Amino acid sequence: NAGVTQTPKFRVLKTGQSMTLLCAQDMNHEYMYWYRQDPGMGLRLIHYSVGEGTTAKGEVPDGYNVSRLKKQNFLLGLESAAPSQTSVYFCASRSSADTQYFGPGTRLTVL
Amino acid sequence: AQSVTQLDSHVSVSEGTPVLLRCNYSSSYSPSLFWYVQHPNKGLQLLLKYTSAATLVKGINGFEAEFKKSETSFHLTKPSAHMSDAAEYFCVVSEVRNTGKLIFGQGTTLQVKP
Repeated sequence: NAGVTQTPKFRVLKTGQSMTLLCAQDMNHEYMYWYRQDPGMGLRLIHYSVGEGTTAKGEVPDGYNVSRLKKQNFLLGLESAAPSQTSVYFCASRSSADTQYFGPGTRLTVL
Repeated sequence: AQSVTQLDSHVSVSEGTPVLLRCNYSSSYSPSLFWYVQHPNKGLQLLLKYTSAATLVKGINGFEAEFKKSETSFHLTKPSAHMSDAAEYFCVVSEVRNTGKLIFGQGTTLQVKP
């Protein structure tokens, strides 16, 4: 099992550019999450999904969109990147035992 | 609403001495509590979790935590620190069981000196 994987690992964008981060899990989990991590602030929830075809807003959803067309994939989109979105992004999926498993992260820099 | 407070942003210990990382939580119901570890430039790894079974929870790499409802605490301990324990540690509470949303503390950086 690969667990939770994220693509890409690193990315540099210019202000106003768009991009999509891909998260994939092979554990057949229903629940998936996108977080961002900023220094001194822990992780904050951006969006989450409780199943294929469903998404919901988390704590900091502005400027992001998500889609869950397939159970194993959860996509995070930035339509018009801003420097405030410079961060490390983590995806997670949740088992039936209420444990979240995290991917390795994507380090995004917006210039 | 649920919340988590990690009482120390930075803890420094010598190798071979005990580790104590402190965490207080606030929850309107019996929560699920977790400790995650993050090594530099890595993802998060689950150390242990509490889900209303035994109040003393044993995790990986010799870590354990004790759930104390009366004190609303979930402190992480290890009898003897190893150099490889140097990392960032997060105390986490699960907000609502049916969505599984996690609330993270700000993190504690553990430094281990030789």
